[in-house]
Amino acid sequence: SQTIHQWPATLVQPVGSPLSLECTVEGTSNPNLYWYRQAAGRGLQLLFYSVGIGQISSEVPQNLSASRPQDRQFILSSKKLLLSDSGFYLCAWSAGLAGSDTQYFGPGTRLTVL
Amino acid sequence: DQQVKQNSPSLSVQEGRISILNCDYTNSMFDYFLWYKKYPAEGPTFLISISSIKDKNEDGRFTVFLNKSAKHLSLHIVPSQPGDSAVYFCAAYYGGSQGNLIFGKGTKLSVKP
Repeated sequence: SQTIHQWPATLVQPVGSPLSLECTVEGTSNPNLYWYRQAAGRGLQLLFYSVGIGQISSEVPQNLSASRPQDRQFILSSKKLLLSDSGFYLCAWSAGLAGSDTQYFGPGTRLTVL
Repeated sequence: DQQVKQNSPSLSVQEGRISILNCDYTNSMFDYFLWYKKYPAEGPTFLISISSIKDKNEDGRFTVFLNKSAKHLSLHIVPSQPGDSAVYFCAAYYGGSQGNLIFGKGTKLSVKP
């Protein structure tokens, strides 16, 4: 069966510090991978998605970036965190890109920027 | 501009009664709708979906209704159970969005014993 891992589970970082969140998927090949953010009082916002190694599509301009160095690894990074980067970050995968292709979410990372 | 709106941030229902969660959308291009359920500190999990060619989809205690003319969908949970207490997200998709699900802000459902 497929599983999706995210770490760390929680993170407290000072403003201006770098960020690296990692997501890995097991039990499937060539998944589509997604990074979402849920900020306080807001819905899930798609940040990036990837259909393959090295292929990243950005949905929202910001100071975050994503990389996919391996088929089942997706990394979310920032060089300098802002207060507004605080939120709950979720990684997800799907087999296809159609609406009927269920997205399966990881456990998430709670990021607090102070 | 929010394309998917869940106007009720919270809903409280007695155990055994019906829970109705509502969702409105503005983009007539959406052709697939989904509901996700999220417990605190966990990722959302898929609950039920409906294609725009249907007006109803049922799965056990969960039924989703779609009214395309009103651009409105609803999730009915009957009977509601305390374990259903969670945040429910409505999401929408259209063929040109390449996997981009548009989520609403969520509705927190509390089912009281």
